[in-house]
Amino acid sequence: NAGVTQTPKFQVLKTGQSMTLQCAQDMNHEYMSWYRQDPGMGLRLIHYSVGAGITDQGEVPNGYNVSRSTTEDFPLRLLSAAPSQTSVYFCASSYRGPGQGLSYNSPLHFGNGTRLTVT
Amino acid sequence: KQEVTQIPAALSVPEGENLVLNCSFTDSAIYNLQWFRQDPGKGLTSLLLIQSSQREQTSGRLNASLDKSSGRSTLYIAASQPGDSATYLCAVEGNAGNMLTFGGGTRLMVKP
Repeated sequence: NAGVTQTPKFQVLKTGQSMTLQCAQDMNHEYMSWYRQDPGMGLRLIHYSVGAGITDQGEVPNGYNVSRSTTEDFPLRLLSAAPSQTSVYFCASSYRGPGQGLSYNSPLHFGNGTRLTVT
Repeated sequence: KQEVTQIPAALSVPEGENLVLNCSFTDSAIYNLQWFRQDPGKGLTSLLLIQSSQREQTSGRLNASLDKSSGRSTLYIAASQPGDSATYLCAVEGNAGNMLTFGGGTRLMVKP
């Protein structure tokens, strides 16, 4: 059971460069999301998806794009990296229960993170 | 806007102590509350999930309670061990769904 797999683990970018952070899960979870974690700011939601072909913005979406072409994959794209995007990025997934909201009985499963530095 | 606060930010205790971590939230209209553990350089691992209709959940030495009306949750750790040293985070899912709001975490150190 791989769970949620993120690549790469570490990345250094120069300002203005672009890159894609990869996230894959093998649990057939409908819900996938991206968070960034910064000292003193906690975890903040960037984008999320409730199924293939459906994405929506979270709390801090500016500067990031996402797509969900398959259930398994949810890549996060930085189009033009800025020093303010230096952070640790986490992908997380979950089952999604009937109606609104995440499943009552399914916790959020996290990947091990990608540490990104933008110089 | 939902705000989640965890106090204290850091805690150091000797091995064997029972301890309580606190989590408070401003909007009581929630689906559930989750407690997570994060080890340095790692992702978050779910410990306990309490549905809005529940009062508490237990797993081994861990017990989490939820008082929705007062906007509070506690995580009780019995007979703490050095292996419990980690950062503990709580998160709530609001009734709008699809989003968890996290607290800033409590960094716990259990000394042998």
